[in-house]
Amino acid sequence: RKEVEQDPGPFNVPEGATVAFNCTYSNSASQSFFWYRQDCRKEPKLLMSVYSSGNEDGRFTAQLNRASQYISLLIRDSKLSDSATYLCVVTGGTGGFKTIFGAGTRLFVKA
Amino acid sequence: GAVVSQHPSRVICKSGTSVKIECRSLDFQATTMFWYRQFPKQSLMLMATSNEGSKATYEQGVEKDKFLINHASLTLSTLTVTSAHPEDSSFYICSARGIWRGGSSSTDTQYFGPGTRLTVL
Repeated sequence: RKEVEQDPGPFNVPEGATVAFNCTYSNSASQSFFWYRQDCRKEPKLLMSVYSSGNEDGRFTAQLNRASQYISLLIRDSKLSDSATYLCVVTGGTGGFKTIFGAGTRLFVKA
Repeated sequence: GAVVSQHPSRVICKSGTSVKIECRSLDFQATTMFWYRQFPKQSLMLMATSNEGSKATYEQGVEKDKFLINHASLTLSTLTVTSAHPEDSSFYICSARGIWRGGSSSTDTQYFGPGTRLTVL
């Protein structure tokens, strides 16, 4: 089992749609959780951190469920510019600070 | 936010040559630097973790004699791909973790360099 697993995608949605990404992690000792965005042939950029209390930033909402070891990202009112790969990232756990990336979910938003 | 630079951004070399990639944290001191590799349409894979002044910790399956990492200071780490072969062609990304103080806030997070695309002919 992979340490971090994401929806395989790709997701093809029209502008204005709401899209949800899911992610699960296997290490119950993981400490920090993030969503990154990666555009084609570019480095990943931090989109938002994920907290148990939930985290909202404009059209983006991230949730963490530690009991289920599950992380989600919701994008409302999708824009063309949201087209990218979204990476679920988990850090920490036993053995010290270590960052594990999910394989990413590709999103295509179309006019 | 904090800035991490990488140099060069793109390199094409012949098989058997060595390539050095630099990673610098420009406005903060990086306690830890990470090197990743990403093949097309695949996830980022951590190659090694390095702390300033100590030896890097390599992930399973990564040859430490082939991928030499030097973390000489709190703002500079280098990755040298020795005797590069076509299968080493990939996108190499570094990231730096440290305390960045901007304005009234400070944050301990991980910032990525722009990446280096290596093509070995």
